[in-house]
Amino acid sequence: ELKVEQNPLFLSMQEGKNYTIYCNYSTTSDRLYWYRQDPGKSLESLFVLLSNGAVKQEGRLMASLDTKARLSTLHITAAVHDLSATYFCAGYQGAQKLVFGQGTRLTINP
Amino acid sequence: EPEVTQTPSHQVTQMGQEVILRCVPISNHLYFYWYRQILGQKVEFLVSFYNNEISEKSEIFDDQFSVERPDGSNFTLKIRSTKLEDSAMYFCASSEGDRYSNQPQHFGDGTRLSIL
Repeated sequence: ELKVEQNPLFLSMQEGKNYTIYCNYSTTSDRLYWYRQDPGKSLESLFVLLSNGAVKQEGRLMASLDTKARLSTLHITAAVHDLSATYFCAGYQGAQKLVFGQGTRLTINP
Repeated sequence: EPEVTQTPSHQVTQMGQEVILRCVPISNHLYFYWYRQILGQKVEFLVSFYNNEISEKSEIFDDQFSVERPDGSNFTLKIRSTKLEDSAMYFCASSEGDRYSNQPQHFGDGTRLSIL
C-alpha cells in the first residue's frame, strides 16, 4: 500500500526567502503529482512528474522527482505572499486511485 | 479552460437523511472520481468510475455510498443514511485517462457536507 509523507506540515516564511517541501513515498512509483489548495477551494494541478530526474518549473516553483530515493521536492524561490496555500503531493496506487500526502500549509509573511 | 463543476457548494443535512452530491465532469474526460477531505485532514479517495461502472473503491465506500452517471454529463454521489462522521468536503474529479495517460486528475471546488 502506498503511503505518502510530506514535511514540513506547516511552514511560515518571509517574503524573498527560499524553501523546500519534501514528499517521501513508500513504494515504487513512476510518477508524482503536486497540487495547490487555497482555503475552501479546489485542488489545482501544479506539476506532473513522470520519470526519474524529472524537473518542472513554473514561476517561483520548481518540482523534481527522484524515483530511486522515492522523493519529490517542491522548491520555492524568493517567496511572495500569493504563494501562500496548502501544497499536496500525490502518487498513484493502482491505475486510478491517487494517494495524497498530508499537505504542507505554507504561509508567506511580508 | 474547461472545469469540473459541483453543486451544491454547501449542503446541511440531518443525520440519517439521504444526500446526493452532483458533479459535471470535463466533457471529454472518461474517468470520474470522488474524494473527501475531513476538515484539517488529508484528501482521501472514495471511488473511481469508468465505462459506466465502478472501477475502484476504497474501504470508506461502503454500502451507504453509491455513484451514478444518470445522463451524459452528470456524475452523482449518494449517501443513503448520513452519519455525523460523513461531514467533510467532497471533491469530484475527472481525467482523460488513468495513471498511464500522463494527465492529472482535475478537481471541482467541492461540496461541503455538514451533518447535524
